[in-house]
Amino acid sequence: GENVEQHPSTLSVQEGDSAVIKCTYSDSASNYFPWYKQELGKGPQLIIDIRSNVGEKKDQRIAVTLNKTAKHFSLHITETQPEDSAVYFCAASIVMIGGTSYGKLTFGQGTILTVHP
Amino acid sequence: EAQVTQNPRYLITVTGKKLTVTCSQNMNHEYMSWYRQDPGLGLRQIYYSMNVEVTDKGDVPEGYKVSRKEKRNFPLILESPSPNQTSLYFCASTTPGLAGAPGTGELFFGEGSRLTVL
Repeated sequence: GENVEQHPSTLSVQEGDSAVIKCTYSDSASNYFPWYKQELGKGPQLIIDIRSNVGEKKDQRIAVTLNKTAKHFSLHITETQPEDSAVYFCAASIVMIGGTSYGKLTFGQGTILTVHP
Repeated sequence: EAQVTQNPRYLITVTGKKLTVTCSQNMNHEYMSWYRQDPGLGLRQIYYSMNVEVTDKGDVPEGYKVSRKEKRNFPLILESPSPNQTSLYFCASTTPGLAGAPGTGELFFGEGSRLTVL
């Protein structure tokens, strides 16, 4: 089955700096890569995702890049703010196109991001 | 308000005492799933359900049972809890892609149920 490795496990940055979290996956058939943010005491929430037919996607201060050949993808947060402090999870899945099935989502181990004011 | 509701949010129990964690969603989602979150291990899938009466094992199903008798509910049952089931549990739901169009893939999570087994 799919295996997703996420690094680093903890990341501490100063407000305004950039933060990068990296993930690698094992199953070359995976085609959907979401990132979830989990704030303290809450459930994870989707912040951005990317499909295997694109190499990069950006949404304001957040961007995700995908390297299918190397089987890794990364989350980039620019101009970090204290409210970015949270646990971030990457995940990988095979999403069926043209059918009604939903692929199993495998999560990474999580990264605790702390942004110091 | 669209949401996934879990109960209880916190529970301390003893080894062997059967318990059920309920999960309900009001978004008419076909797909529901249970995860457990442990430090350093991320989120691991316990069971999932593609639709009513259709369930399947995830990565760590041992010691758990589920049922899906109604679309909105997906309870997690611990028949004989043990200390290694002490964890933070999340229920999630989504709607898979319709024929001819890719699914959004977004999972909607509940707020979690923290379970301690003594």
